[in-house]
Amino acid sequence: DAKTTQPNSMESNEEEPVHLPCNHSTISGTDYIHWYRQLPSQGPEYVIHGLTSNVNNRMASLAIAEDRKSSTLILHRATLRDAAVYYCILLYAGGTSYGKLTFGQGTILTVHP
Amino acid sequence: DTGVSQDPRHKITKRGQNVTFRCDPISEHNRLYWYRQTLGQGPEFLTYFQNEAQLEKSRLLSDRFSAERPKGSFSTLEIQRTEQGDSAMYLCASSLDVGLSPLHFGNGTRLTVT
Repeated sequence: DAKTTQPNSMESNEEEPVHLPCNHSTISGTDYIHWYRQLPSQGPEYVIHGLTSNVNNRMASLAIAEDRKSSTLILHRATLRDAAVYYCILLYAGGTSYGKLTFGQGTILTVHP
Repeated sequence: DTGVSQDPRHKITKRGQNVTFRCDPISEHNRLYWYRQTLGQGPEFLTYFQNEAQLEKSRLLSDRFSAERPKGSFSTLEIQRTEQGDSAMYLCASSLDVGLSPLHFGNGTRLTVT
């Protein structure tokens, strides 16, 4: 599986935008970029995913570089509830694929009031 | 949406005892996954079911571990002869049987082996 690299930690202030980067230089053409987050004492939660084009949903936006070797998860206005570990994961979309996620260390996001 | 339910939330057991955890997935989800998470690490894949069929098992799932999903609904994960190294959070997730459908995780069962 292609690997991802994320900063260990980031900090933000409440109500400010947060840009969480992810590098995936060995991504293949059939790999989707998925983001999950894990709040304290909870299981991971799906955030967003994309292939080539930028994606938006009610939780966040995903900006994907033109060469697909990096992506950025954007939280438009951070709240205290967004404090979590954020995981960037590549998922192969070929053949009989399913959701076997390979989690890295993720980025610990701290949000200050 | 009742979400993925796991029982118990916490389990403390002595080394050498057997333990069993239960996972109730979201009702229309045919895919079910078990993951294990130790402190400070991301979750690690253990096994995957499509309906009642166990289609993949990780090398992490030693012969002391067994998972079942007898009727394609709830699943159980049993650990026999527990060791201290089994102490971890055991997470269950489910998803629709469509492509790369997002996984919905439960809040896990925290196992402590003393």
